Amino acid sequence: GESVGLHLPTLSVQEGDNSIINCAYSNSASDYFIWYKQESGKGPQFIIDIRSNMDKRQGQRVTVLLNKTVKHLSLQIAATQPGDSAVYFCAENLFGGTSYGKLTFGQGTILTVHP
Amino acid sequence: NAGVTQTPKFRVLKTGQSMTLLCAQDMNHEYMYWYRQDPGMGLRLIHYSVGEGTTAKGEVPDGYNVSRLKKQNFLLGLESAAPSQTSVYFCASGTSVYEQYFGPGTRLTVT
Repeated sequence: GESVGLHLPTLSVQEGDNSIINCAYSNSASDYFIWYKQESGKGPQFIIDIRSNMDKRQGQRVTVLLNKTVKHLSLQIAATQPGDSAVYFCAENLFGGTSYGKLTFGQGTILTVHP
Repeated sequence: NAGVTQTPKFRVLKTGQSMTLLCAQDMNHEYMYWYRQDPGMGLRLIHYSVGEGTTAKGEVPDGYNVSRLKKQNFLLGLESAAPSQTSVYFCASGTSVYEQYFGPGTRLTVT
């Protein structure tokens, strides 16, 4: 089956810098994407989502960009803080049919923020 | 609200033993999911349920069974554990696919 993948498995940044985490997806029919944050020893936590009819969506300190032409998704974190250190996953979903409600996750990117 | 809870947190099994993982949610969610997470990999869907009394296979269902007898509970069973089932198991629930709330995970080791 088609899958979601990440370009960079690790990312190290200095506190206060902006972080960009990338994700490539292969299923052009996917119409909903989510970013999750997973801290060590915990379950994934929802950060932000975006539908395929949007190019950009902003939250608190986070922005998700979707480029459907090249099937690319990115998560931007502004003024990165040590508490942002975690593994970040993108996930995709295809509405309708037998895959409704099922998310396909990428392998994850480890973000490390240095004080 | 406790959110999504999982029991147990840790378990060690010998090959061939059986066990049941319990997931409970107090948010009245219709959808519930079981995932496994292996090192260096994202979460993979094992089974899911779109409502009480219903279950469906996910991406990696072999070797697992599930039941959703009550809306708030989703059980994952391993009938005959194998070392390949060593993993961290996450349960999630939600009102739809828009948001899935995850539990803290169960770390299972099969020797």
